[in-house]
This record gives sequence, C-alpha cells and structure tokens, in this order.
Amino acid sequence: EAGVTQFPSHSVIEKGQTVTLRCDPISGHDNLYWYRRVMGKEIKFLLHFVKESKQDESGMPNNRFLAERTGGTYSTLKVQPAELEDSGVYFCASSAQGYEQYFGPGTRLTVT
Amino acid sequence: KNEVEQSPQNLTAQEGEFITINCSYSVGISALHWLQQHPGGGIVSLFMLSSGKKKHGRLIATINIQEKHSSLHITASHPRDSAVYICAVSGPNTDKLIFGTGTRLQVFP
Repeated sequence: EAGVTQFPSHSVIEKGQTVTLRCDPISGHDNLYWYRRVMGKEIKFLLHFVKESKQDESGMPNNRFLAERTGGTYSTLKVQPAELEDSGVYFCASSAQGYEQYFGPGTRLTVT
Repeated sequence: KNEVEQSPQNLTAQEGEFITINCSYSVGISALHWLQQHPGGGIVSLFMLSSGKKKHGRLIATINIQEKHSSLHITASHPRDSAVYICAVSGPNTDKLIFGTGTRLQVFP
C-alpha cells in the first residue's frame, strides 16, 4: 500500500512568487492534515480536512495561504505571495477516523 | 511555555544502554503520540496511546493521565535508534496534533 506522498520534495522560490504544494493521502483516509516546521521550532498544525471539507483551519498563518482538497482526494496548499518567513518544511498527514496519522516525507520550502 | 514539553532536548548514549525520553503536557487530550524521524527521513508514528502502556519490540511507551506525563523507553539501544523522537498530543474534540520540540538521540557503538 502506498504511503502519503508529497510533491515537490524541495522548492526554492523568490519572495513574492507563488508556490503550490501537493499531498496525496493514503487511499481511503478521509482525514488530511497540513503541518509546518519552521527552522528551530516545533511542528505546528495548519489545517485539517475531512474529505473535501475544512474541519479546522485555525493554524493557517494568514490569507496568503490557501488549501484545497477537491473531491476529497489529494490536497494542495498554495502560498501566494510567498514571504521569507514562510520557509520551512511542510508536512502532510492522513488518517482514518480515530486512528494514527501517517506522515508524508515533507516539502522543504525555501523563500529567498 | 509550550503545551507539550519534552526532555531532554539532546541525548547521547552508548550502544546497549536503556534510554528514557519524557513528555509532559498541559492540555486535555484524547491521545498521546510518539513519533520518530531519522536524519533525512520522514516522520513515523511509533505509538498512539490514551492510557497505560504499549510495547513494540524494544520500545515501550507509558502514560499517566493524572500526572499528564508520558515516557518513551528504549531497551538495549542500538545506533540505528539514532533519530529525533517527538511527542505530540491530540485534544478531546480534535484530531490535530500539538507537538513537542523533539528529543535528538544519538547512540554510539
């Protein structure tokens, strides 16, 4: 069974540009989460989808971040326009209801 | 102060030693998770527990709900156990995880 996959693994963009991160959860997992680790800090929650609906987006830093999960399958996280402080590693995780979360390998975003 | 605190932040050990990593939390939880991340690797879930104790191979996780404290033990440590170990909790009405800062473990042969 394929695990959670994320694309790209690494992205380097300039301040002001747009970047879109993609997450493909484990098939059949209704829950999809986005998290972020900024250098030197603990991993922080961004948002939680249940199927295609946003269950909790309390961790989204500001309106430069837009997450979607069309059809309840894969999800995208768009940052527009990117700022220096958006640099970090973005993790996606998925789970079946009430069960452990399975993490993707992460996307390392560097904004210069 | 973080809602999830881990100690120690860094830990070195000789192969074969018994290792303990501690986690304290200050919020109500539905479950506590122990996660592992090897250098350059992804995050792997080791345990999800809400009470008592769980064991998997050389790893043991315990939780004391009253004291809001959990420990991760590694018996007969091995260099391949070298990784960052992360404690995280999920709240009573949410599945989102609140993470500790992690404990970096290095086991030398």
